[in-house]
Amino acid sequence: GAVVSQHPSRVICKSGTSVKIECRSLDFQATTMFWYRQFPKKSLMLMATSNEGSKATYEQGVEKDKFLINHASLTLSTLTVTSAHPEDSSFYICSARPLAGGKTSDTQYFGPGTRLTVL
Amino acid sequence: QKEVEQDPGPLSVPEGAIVSLNCTYSNSAFQYFMWYRQYSRKGPELLMYTYSSGNKEDGRFTAQVDKSSKYISLFIRDSQPSDSATYLCAMKETSYDKVIFGPGTSLSVIP
Repeated sequence: GAVVSQHPSRVICKSGTSVKIECRSLDFQATTMFWYRQFPKKSLMLMATSNEGSKATYEQGVEKDKFLINHASLTLSTLTVTSAHPEDSSFYICSARPLAGGKTSDTQYFGPGTRLTVL
Repeated sequence: QKEVEQDPGPLSVPEGAIVSLNCTYSNSAFQYFMWYRQYSRKGPELLMYTYSSGNKEDGRFTAQVDKSSKYISLFIRDSQPSDSATYLCAMKETSYDKVIFGPGTSLSVIP
């Protein structure tokens, strides 16, 4: 149980294009999902908290117009990197908190990550 | 000073060894402590989740928290090659707060 998937697992794009990454909770519902970024040999940096049906909360220093987050349903959140540039190349990981019995768990389950390479 | 510090390694041990992984932190308000295992190019997997000071054991894994020293540890007994991964410590102030991760320690268990 508590499986989170991400699609695509890997994407290569040209500079200036936009890329959408999907995060799905497969066997549970999640009112809250998180988006992280991880550089090689570095820790996960929280980019934003995504709440179903409302606007995402972005961490300081994260451009909300560049990293568009949509949490349209209890099982899906998307991250769109707009006008991507080489410095946006990174490993993007989402996580989700299960909703059970009307209550959100305080445990996060992570997706497998998406490797973005911008040429 | 970084909020959570962790020796990045790499740490290399022979199969069957006891592994000790550690983190220090500066924020005394942290109350919830976690250890995640991350295989290469994969997402983190929760191994241990503890609240406040004390020990917690789960199979070959033991987590220790010493809030007075702001120091947490993960011990792996009878280490296996399949334990080779990066281990991330993580912590938060309240149960629903955002999680702060350490940079991770890379572990290799040699057969």
